[in-house]
Amino acid sequence: DAKTTQPPSMDCAEGRAANLPCNHSTISGNEYVYWYRQIHSQGPQYIIHGLKNNETNEMASLIITEDRKSSTLILPHATLRDTAVYYCIGPDSGNTGKLIFGQGTTLQVKP
Amino acid sequence: GAGVSQTPSNKVTEKGKYVELRCDPISGHTALYWYRQSLGQGPEFLIYFQGTGAADDSGLPNDRFFAVRPEGSVSTLKIQRTERGDSAVYLCASSPTGSGIQYFGAGTRLSVL
Repeated sequence: DAKTTQPPSMDCAEGRAANLPCNHSTISGNEYVYWYRQIHSQGPQYIIHGLKNNETNEMASLIITEDRKSSTLILPHATLRDTAVYYCIGPDSGNTGKLIFGQGTTLQVKP
Repeated sequence: GAGVSQTPSNKVTEKGKYVELRCDPISGHTALYWYRQSLGQGPEFLIYFQGTGAADDSGLPNDRFFAVRPEGSVSTLKIQRTERGDSAVYLCASSPTGSGIQYFGAGTRLSVL
């Protein structure tokens, strides 16, 4: 299973972009990186995933480096409701889709 | 439409008792996953169903834990002889095909006294 490394916590001012980094140096060429978030007392919520091209959806953008060893999740205009734990997840080596969560990054959006 | 539903939302039991936790996945989703989340930790994989069969149960911690999905829809996680260390939030997720895109329920908070 690909291991990911994230900073334990980050702060962001409301209305500003939140940039959450993730290192996944052991990921192989055909493995996706997934991002989830978990708001307090809720189940995790899927945000976005990518392989090697940058991706954007209504929630966020995902920038993946050319060597695929790291990525950055961007919330373009953070709101107080974006305060959550954000998980960067590498794929399961057994191809079952199971998610291997790490500790994630606790993002605190401040007014 | 309806999301993943887990019942009960909270369960308090005594050490040594048997508990069952239920998960109703999104209709039509063939893949179903159970995870366990201890306080301050990320969710930890327990078991994965594709249809009615357990395709991967490598995350079940010991033989006190068992899960079924007899008709390929609703799943029940069963814990025998509960221990205080089993206290956690048990999360269920479903997926259309068994991919990394999964839809989670709100979880069942199990407290073993």
